[in-house]
Amino acid sequence: DAGVTQSPTHLIKTRGQHVTLRCSPISGHKSVSWYQQVLGQGPQFIFQYYEKEERGRGNFPDRFSARQFPNYSSELNVNALLLGDSALYLCASSFNDARDNSPLHFGNGTRLTVT
Amino acid sequence: GENVEQHPSTLSVQEGDSAVIKCTYSDSASNYFPWYKQELGKGPQLIIDIRSNVGEKKDQRIAVTLNKTAKHFSLHITETQPEDSAVYFCAAPDTGRRALTFGSGTRLQVQP
Repeated sequence: DAGVTQSPTHLIKTRGQHVTLRCSPISGHKSVSWYQQVLGQGPQFIFQYYEKEERGRGNFPDRFSARQFPNYSSELNVNALLLGDSALYLCASSFNDARDNSPLHFGNGTRLTVT
Repeated sequence: GENVEQHPSTLSVQEGDSAVIKCTYSDSASNYFPWYKQELGKGPQLIIDIRSNVGEKKDQRIAVTLNKTAKHFSLHITETQPEDSAVYFCAAPDTGRRALTFGSGTRLQVQP
């Protein structure tokens, strides 16, 4: 069975631009979460979606937004990119809502470099 | 929110030895504690998790122990192999945000 798939795998953008990252969850999983991982640190929570509704939000500015589609895939959008947005962006899926402590399964991420 | 501390930050062992990684958490209501292994260029892979109704869980060479009174949990890897070399993360739920809070990671190197 396919795991969580993310696209693109790598991306280079210039300051001020916007970016859209995509994620397809494991088949049957209804929840998608987004995390940012800066080099040398643990993942930091950005958003959680369940049944196409935002259920949780981390401490990230409004430049970050996301949505979940009827097929449970998801997009993460970042506007007005800053150098500090350079990181590995991870998508994770789970069968149930995060409040049920359903195990999270991560994709291999999108490596975003902002120059 | 939840605060998770993890140590050591790096750990080097000889092949065949055991490795132990420890984490503490702050929210006494937390009831689920997963461990992830991250290899270079890949996303974190769930390797084992434990819920608060048990004190220990084993899966072949990997075990996790939980002490809810002291609010700490540990990952134990026995008979380490070179392929165990990776960065390991512990995590605990931030129930207010429906998210996991991760530790800062432990880089494990198994010397052949």
